[in-house]
Amino acid sequence: ETGVTQSPTHLIKTRGQQVTLRCSSQSGHNTVSWYQQALGQGPQFIFQYYREEENGRGNFPPRFSGLQFPNYSSELNVNALELDDSALYLCASSPTQDTLGGYTFGSGTRLTVV
Amino acid sequence: RKEVEQDPGPFNVPEGATVAFNCTYSNSASQSFFWYRQDCRKEPKLLMSVYSSGNEDGRFTAQLNRASQYISLLIRDSKLSDSATYLCVVNAQGYSTLTFGKGTMLLVSP
Repeated sequence: ETGVTQSPTHLIKTRGQQVTLRCSSQSGHNTVSWYQQALGQGPQFIFQYYREEENGRGNFPPRFSGLQFPNYSSELNVNALELDDSALYLCASSPTQDTLGGYTFGSGTRLTVV
Repeated sequence: RKEVEQDPGPFNVPEGATVAFNCTYSNSASQSFFWYRQDCRKEPKLLMSVYSSGNEDGRFTAQLNRASQYISLLIRDSKLSDSATYLCVVNAQGYSTLTFGKGTMLLVSP
């Protein structure tokens, strides 16, 4: 059984650019959640997708958007990048919408905005 | 008040020491509780769930006090490999999200 995989592992972008991060969910999981972890902070919830629909959103501006595909893989898109968007972006998949069992995270994408 | 608050770190302890991490949460509707471990520049990994009756996994013991909205993690006989950041995590029933604390770093030295 494959786990959660994210790509790319590292990325450097310039302020104002757009970026797309990708996540392949664990086999059998229909829910994907995205988190942003800035240096020295805990992960912050961005949004969750369940069966291709957004199922909850944290306190992030609309320039953070996402998609979930029929195979339950997901993308996180960030437009008009700002320096403060530099962070580790984590994806987690789960077999259901609830979080009672905790999450298994992918290894993350480290985004640096210069 | 932050939703999940943890002891500020880092904690520096010698090998073999016992160390305790504390955490408080603000949402009384929280239903599930976890401790995650995060190594430097890696993803968080689930260390253990926390149950109302308290639970133990080897050298690790977790406690939950719902009345005080307080969670703890005790590590006995610390090993060098325990050096990491420990994240306190809660969720609320009906919420499709986990809320993380800022984390407490543990450094175990020889």
